[in-house]
This record gives sequence, structure tokens and C-alpha cells, in this order.
Amino acid sequence: DAGITQSPRYKITETGRQVTLMCHQTWSHSYMFWYRQDLGHGLRLIYYSAAADITDKGEVPDGYVVSRSKTENFPLTLESATRSQTSVYFCASRTRVSYEQYFGPGTRLTVT
Amino acid sequence: TQLLEQSPQFLSIQEGENLTVYCNSSSVFSSLQWYRQEPGEGPVLLVTVVTGGEVKKLKRLTFQFGDARKDSSLHITAAQPGDTGLYLCAVGQGGKLIFGQGTELSVKP
Repeated sequence: DAGITQSPRYKITETGRQVTLMCHQTWSHSYMFWYRQDLGHGLRLIYYSAAADITDKGEVPDGYVVSRSKTENFPLTLESATRSQTSVYFCASRTRVSYEQYFGPGTRLTVT
Repeated sequence: TQLLEQSPQFLSIQEGENLTVYCNSSSVFSSLQWYRQEPGEGPVLLVTVVTGGEVKKLKRLTFQFGDARKDSSLHITAAQPGDTGLYLCAVGQGGKLIFGQGTELSVKP
């Protein structure tokens, strides 16, 4: 499907487990982003990537790992999930020349 | 301190009413974007304003960029329940988008 997709859409995991959230875009956008959204905190940037093999920390990177071996994919890994990482996670992408971002549908993650 | 201050944070109105949402800053920006996020979905870009004093219309939504490019407003005429959602303003900075805290709008039938 064209656009930006996230999987899974819903995930329940236990404290201490590793979990990976997937993000895939078909536009060949240079930039990709991971955000988390919690009540009272709005959208907070976790990590972003300007191109394949280039990643950088955002506002709240602790406890998360990213990689970008291909332009179209930007997985986010929680190495050892904690309850504080219960949140809705959004992936987004944009071209190199515009700040306009296009968001995926989100992944609702619950850590028990 | 937030780079972008949105007000009000929450707004609950009846169908047919008009409303205005504000996005303010002390900084000057080359452009500003507005997004709408409906419940359970990701934010969707509504508009980008670029020129100071610019006014853009999207059906019943009117967006204005301040003359000094430090602030913006979103006016909705005759709000409908389908306008319910979170409205976010955002500006680009250092390759990233900086978002305001958002305005949560609820339009009751």
C-alpha cells in the first residue's frame, strides 16, 4: 500500500521484554521520525533519521534504539520495556526540502 | 518554556458555533504548519503558512500567519462534530518539527 504504515497497531508486552515497532513508507522520503504521545505531554520526538544509516536523538531517546539500513524502513526497538513506555507511538516522514510531515496511524503499546 | 504556546488547551462547544485557536511564540519563523489529529489516528497536515499576514482558507477553516511571523490563528466557522480533534501548530527547527501542546476541540451535536 502506498503511504506510511506502522505495525503492529496494538501490542501488549511485559516489563523487561524486547519489542520492535515497525515503520514503512513508500514515498522514498529522506527523513523519518518516531514520536510518542502521552496525555499531558503532547507529541515528543524519540529519534529521527535524515537518510539511511543516519540517525539522531530527539527529546526522549532513553530506552529506545533505532536503525535505518533502508530508506523506506525505520524500526524502533525497546530493548527492555518498562511501564513508563506505555504510550501511543507515531512514525512520520518528510522530504528533504519541506518540513511538512506525514504520519502513520500509530501503534498503541501497553507494557504490563 | 515551550517554543510554541497554544491556547486554549481545551475547548468544548456546540455545533454551529465559531471558534478561534491561537499559536504564539516570541520567535520568528519562516513558515508554520497546522495539523489535526482525530481520535485514534495520526496527525494530518491541514496547511502551511509562509508569508507574514497570509490568510489561507480550507472550507470552514481560516488560517492566518501573523504579520511578524511569530504567531498564527485558526478560525473555524460553524463548527461541526466532525471538527472534533486535537489541533497542533508546528514549526521547523534544525531538521525537526517543534509542536505546540495542542488544542483539544470537542464539538457537541
